[in-house]
Amino acid sequence: DTAVSQTPKYLVTQMGNDKSIKCEQNLGHDTMYWYKQDSKKFLKIMFSYNNKELIINETVPNRFSPKSPDKAHLNLHINSLELGDSAVYFCASSLRVTVRSEKLFFGSGTQLSVL
Amino acid sequence: TQLLEQSPQFLSIQEGENLTVYCNSSSVFSSLQWYRQEPGEGPVLLVTVVTGGEVKKLKRLTFQFGDARKDSSLHITAAQPGDTGLYLCAGAQSYGGSQGNLIFGKGTKLSVKP
Repeated sequence: DTAVSQTPKYLVTQMGNDKSIKCEQNLGHDTMYWYKQDSKKFLKIMFSYNNKELIINETVPNRFSPKSPDKAHLNLHINSLELGDSAVYFCASSLRVTVRSEKLFFGSGTQLSVL
Repeated sequence: TQLLEQSPQFLSIQEGENLTVYCNSSSVFSSLQWYRQEPGEGPVLLVTVVTGGEVKKLKRLTFQFGDARKDSSLHITAAQPGDTGLYLCAGAQSYGGSQGNLIFGKGTKLSVKP
């Protein structure tokens, strides 16, 4: 069974559209994350939720809105997509909030292409 | 803002060669992790180092955390094609209490040719 699963794997859409990416973890972890990996493979945190509560919100446009209906799910909704949003988005989870040495489990990524 | 610089950015070697990848910062991290990412997949944790000067070995991979906890290195002995991938170092912020998050380096893309 996949530990962290995100859908869809690929997302191709037009500029201005609204889209969502879903993520689920079956590890029983308390904390979930969204990371963005750009074309140069730089991985940067966007959001972090601990037990459905937002704890990290990096400088991300308001067009990005995470939602955590329960601690096993963290979805990402993006409004009015722009060309610069094209990237690979990774969902991840950890047992608890990352302190010193928590291991992150990553999903296999969603490649978003905005045309 | 704490930044992690990785070098080299790209590395292409022949099977059997040794290599070292470096991860440097001017800031102190409470711990440092190394991940490997293969195409089309998410990063997978290889190791976590916590104590300054710590050395950990994972088969042919040797990881070292600098004494001052500002830098780390990954040494691979007798590289194999299966070692090919993107190697990422990630440091846990040393401030912010329990709300720390991982800062990732920009990665080293390793290609091992048979």
